[in-house]
Amino acid sequence: AQSVTQLDSQVPVFEEAPVELRCNYSSSVSVYLFWYVQYPNQGLQLLLKYLSGSTLVKGINGFEAEFNKSQTSFHLRKPSVHISDTAEYFCAVSDQTDSWGKFQFGAGTQVVVTP
Amino acid sequence: GAGVSQSPSNKVTEKGKDVELRCDPISGHTALYWYRQSLGQGLEFLIYFQGNSAPDKSGLPSDRFSAERTGGSVSTLTIQRTQQEDSAVYLCASSLQGLSTDTQYFGPGTRLTVL
Repeated sequence: AQSVTQLDSQVPVFEEAPVELRCNYSSSVSVYLFWYVQYPNQGLQLLLKYLSGSTLVKGINGFEAEFNKSQTSFHLRKPSVHISDTAEYFCAVSDQTDSWGKFQFGAGTQVVVTP
Repeated sequence: GAGVSQSPSNKVTEKGKDVELRCDPISGHTALYWYRQSLGQGLEFLIYFQGNSAPDKSGLPSDRFSAERTGGSVSTLTIQRTQQEDSAVYLCASSLQGLSTDTQYFGPGTRLTVL
């Protein structure tokens, strides 16, 4: 079984400032890692995912994340945020040994961007 | 093409009543998931359908919850004798093959309020 910890429940940030959202996971097996974003009153959509290869993954809207196996982390970053980045962000993992995709989601981090 | 749709978008019901929530997945997606999102919580897995296989019901919180998927497409989540703790947003997602590497595409959710 896996667990996902998002260390910050809420992150306030000023427009054009950088932001980092922290995600740590615990698992006895290798995992795939995902970041999803949920805009107000909408469903979740994929920002990026790490399956294999380069540990630095680039996603949509200027976001990127780095997989660190030794620290079991997958932190999400954006160098300069916009007001439109105000949303809730979810980190998720799935088990590489599973033949099907049962995801474990973190509790989410609410990002509030102010001018 | 069309994304995942859910209906109704909002449902207010009285304690003890039954409710049905509907999900229309993306055409051609064989896997369908139901999640529950409570305030301040992450996404709680409820049930998973994959093709014609028996569904994984391991996340259903009680026997008041059931779900079916007809013709490998539309799914209905039924909650019998609703309780106030059932109040949450119910999210449906679909993926192409249900693999642990697949992106899940989410609907906008049904907000259920039990009075």
